[in-house]
Amino acid sequence: EKVMTQSPVTLSVSPGERATLSCRASQSVNNRYLAWYQQKPGQAPRLLIYGASTRATGIPDRFSGSGSGTEFTLTISSLQSEDFAVYYCQQYDNWPLTFGGGTKVEIK
Amino acid sequence: EVHLLESGGGLVQPGGSLRLSCAVSGLSLRDSAMSWVRQRPGKGLEWVSTLTSSGGAIYYADSVRGRFTISRDNSRNTLYVQMNNLKVEDTAIYYCAKDGGYADTLSKWFDTWGQGTLVAVSS
Repeated sequence: EKVMTQSPVTLSVSPGERATLSCRASQSVNNRYLAWYQQKPGQAPRLLIYGASTRATGIPDRFSGSGSGTEFTLTISSLQSEDFAVYYCQQYDNWPLTFGGGTKVEIK
Repeated sequence: EVHLLESGGGLVQPGGSLRLSCAVSGLSLRDSAMSWVRQRPGKGLEWVSTLTSSGGAIYYADSVRGRFTISRDNSRNTLYVQMNNLKVEDTAIYYCAKDGGYADTLSKWFDTWGQGTLVAVSS
């Protein structure tokens, strides 16, 4: 099983600033089979990124993903008020599908 | 537009059973793999099970294998998960989620989610 570790657990950022979230895999994630989701309180997760760097339909271009192997990054270039949420990475290289523990992006 | 609506959650005693449903609109279940993903209170996401679009392959997390059964009714366009021998640690919000692939393509990422249904296992 590939264990996904996200850091930091909590990220305090001011609106308009850049946020960088990290996701590390215990083993290499082949073919960059890595997705990112956003979840707001009381809501279901929303797909942001798949294939490590492809934005899902309707996702603003301030969200970008990068990385390969065991190290992946989600960057939010200029945080908007609606971006404060919890973010999860997920590997889909093999079974079982596994998620990271999440990074909460909060207002500084 | 695809919509997923879960139902069937509730309070059940340890060792009990529950069947969750996910009514799908805007898409035929024959055209997409579907999964269940759960979230324990205050915790992260945990994949539970996946059923491919053809119905020919099913996958389970080790934590539920042998106790949970995923299935679907094409005539009702509804996904199910039968949960038996429930444990306290199965307490969670259960989401159904649509695979990002189409037809025979299994992408294993999730582009549409329902709002979830809460399962509470307690004596």
